[in-house]
Amino acid sequence: EAQVTQNPRYLITVTGKKLTVTCSQNMNHEYMSWYRQDPGLGLRQIYYSMNVEVTDKGDVPEGYKVSRKEKRNFPLILESPSPNQTSLYFCATAEIGGRGTEAFFGQGTRLTVV
Amino acid sequence: GNSVTQMEGPVTLSEEAFLTINCTYTATGYPSLFWYVQYPGEGLQLLLKATKADDKGSNKGFEATYRKETTSFHLEKGSVQVSDSAVYFCALITGFQKLVFGTGTRLLVSP
Repeated sequence: EAQVTQNPRYLITVTGKKLTVTCSQNMNHEYMSWYRQDPGLGLRQIYYSMNVEVTDKGDVPEGYKVSRKEKRNFPLILESPSPNQTSLYFCATAEIGGRGTEAFFGQGTRLTVV
Repeated sequence: GNSVTQMEGPVTLSEEAFLTINCTYTATGYPSLFWYVQYPGEGLQLLLKATKADDKGSNKGFEATYRKETTSFHLEKGSVQVSDSAVYFCALITGFQKLVFGTGTRLLVSP
């Protein structure tokens, strides 16, 4: 079964304490991306990756880091979380190329920074 | 820049009512258009798509037609069910796999 798995699903942390949200996919997709979802703002792209060792900034990259050391994993790192990073985060994957390619999403990680 | 505008919600309907959720877009070139649905506690999943002008995407009784002249991709369903209650996102692809989303429209269907 095609899956995008995020962990954890829920996380409450304190300001400044480094954290990592993991994302793993079993579809062998080259493309992976992180989004955050906030009320009234929809989904905004944080970072994306076209392939192993290739990452680039999305629309709201400040305060986040990513790495792509292997094809199936794309962790999101918050080195020093702040309350304005409280949000619902989604990882997504897709095949590269072609119009209308479907994106597959993980179930989301709800992060609260206090 | 490229953008998607959706009608604000929530949209509240009774079961079997007709649904329209408006979506308009601004984009350079010829984007592909999508509707994604997010059920409570879940991630987004593709509902339907259209890749060129006048294409109609359809799935689970939902339809949307790619209208280039009005830059619109309105979502419709003839008879909604309680199980259709969810948040619906209109989106487009610009360039190489960059999805741009609207803000989402919450649909609430009551029995």
